Amino acid sequence: GAGVSQSPRYKVAKRGQDVALRCDPISGHVSLFWYQQALGQGPEFLTYFQNEAQLDKSGLPSDRFFAERPEGSVSTLKIQRTQQEDSAVYLCASSLAQGDSNQPQHFGDGTRLSIL
Amino acid sequence: AQSVAQPEDQVNVAEGNPLTVKCTYSVSGNPYLFWYVQYPNRGLQFLLKYITGDNLVKGSYGFEAEFNKSQTSFHLKKPSALVSDSALYFCAVGYTGTASKLTFGTGTRLQVTL
Repeated sequence: GAGVSQSPRYKVAKRGQDVALRCDPISGHVSLFWYQQALGQGPEFLTYFQNEAQLDKSGLPSDRFFAERPEGSVSTLKIQRTQQEDSAVYLCASSLAQGDSNQPQHFGDGTRLSIL
Repeated sequence: AQSVAQPEDQVNVAEGNPLTVKCTYSVSGNPYLFWYVQYPNRGLQFLLKYITGDNLVKGSYGFEAEFNKSQTSFHLKKPSALVSDSALYFCAVGYTGTASKLTFGTGTRLQVTL
């Protein structure tokens, strides 16, 4: 079956521009996560949705970062007024879990964001 | 706060030899532990998890991991390495009540040579 799909795979933007990254989770998966992976590092948690509810946004680095999942399926991560330190791979993951962290998360291939 | 340490940036092993990739964790409460593998320009692929029960967990592609509560470790092992196992391996921890938030280590690059 289809896995987690992310688009675009690569995004280049000039500093100060706004960007939007899309995640299409596995069908039926209740939980959706966004992670940021800097070069040479492990993924770092950004935010978590259960259906359309954003239950944890403690990892968002600033108010320039905004995520939504209005219909409980596709999610968009938006970064406003991008800065060079935003350059990273943004990973989306989904799982069957409903508030239970023992279900594995299934990851997409990520969006590599480069800010010039 | 929860944290994961992967003390080795890289592990080198010859094909056919056993491999171990180390992971230690720190968490309050009962841990959920995971291993993921990442190939170049790809997302993370789930290998195995420990939730409760037997300390030796078996996963995909012949990998297994041993949970040791007293040493707070969860080392990844494979009896006989393959060249195709060469990749970046991440250990991650969550715990009950955190609604799925995972904390990852910095990763260990496994290089298997002929």
